[in-house]
Amino acid sequence: DGGITQSPKYLFRKEGQNVTLSCEQNLNHDAMYWYRQDPGQGLRLIYYSQIVNDFQKGDIAEGYSVSREKKESFPLTVTSAQKNPTAFYLCASSIGGTMNTEAFFGQGTRLTVV
Amino acid sequence: AQSVAQPEDQVNVAEGNPLTVKCTYSVSGNPYLFWYVQYPNRGLQFLLKYITGDNLVKGSYGFEAEFNKSQTSFHLKKPSALVSDSALYFCAVRGQGSGGYQKVTFGTGTKLQVIP
Repeated sequence: DGGITQSPKYLFRKEGQNVTLSCEQNLNHDAMYWYRQDPGQGLRLIYYSQIVNDFQKGDIAEGYSVSREKKESFPLTVTSAQKNPTAFYLCASSIGGTMNTEAFFGQGTRLTVV
Repeated sequence: AQSVAQPEDQVNVAEGNPLTVKCTYSVSGNPYLFWYVQYPNRGLQFLLKYITGDNLVKGSYGFEAEFNKSQTSFHLKKPSALVSDSALYFCAVRGQGSGGYQKVTFGTGTKLQVIP
């Protein structure tokens, strides 16, 4: 059963903590993305990766970090430098190298600061 | 820089009536346009896309979209709305980001409410 798996579904973070959100895909896609979703603001791109061991900052990368050591995995770390991390985080993937393919999304992780 | 605008935060339509969700875009080069739907606390699901060719694109669940190059629009339509169509709809454009990387930009979303 192919798809994208995000875990955990819900995550709580204390002030000053780093937390890591997992994203795994078995679609053999080259490109992977992380988006943040806030009410009324739609989806904003945090980081994206076209190939293993390479990634680019998106529009709101400050306070976040990523790695892409394996094709299947693209974890996102929300660092203590991110001052307002409470949001819904979505991971996506698509076939790389072409412009005409749609993205496949995970079910999301809802992060709350407590 | 590429961008997508969805001018309506919410669209209300009676069940059985036609619906339209508006989207305009800005991108360098040829536009690659997409519509997605999101149900509460879920990820986005792909509905349809425009790449080239016929300006009227048909997609999942009876939805279609009309590409208009001169107006830089890609409006989502359905001839007869169902209550189950109530959800959040996102328009997106794919283009070249920095360093030649592809980048997908989403609109802010339009909440569709179908009234029984």
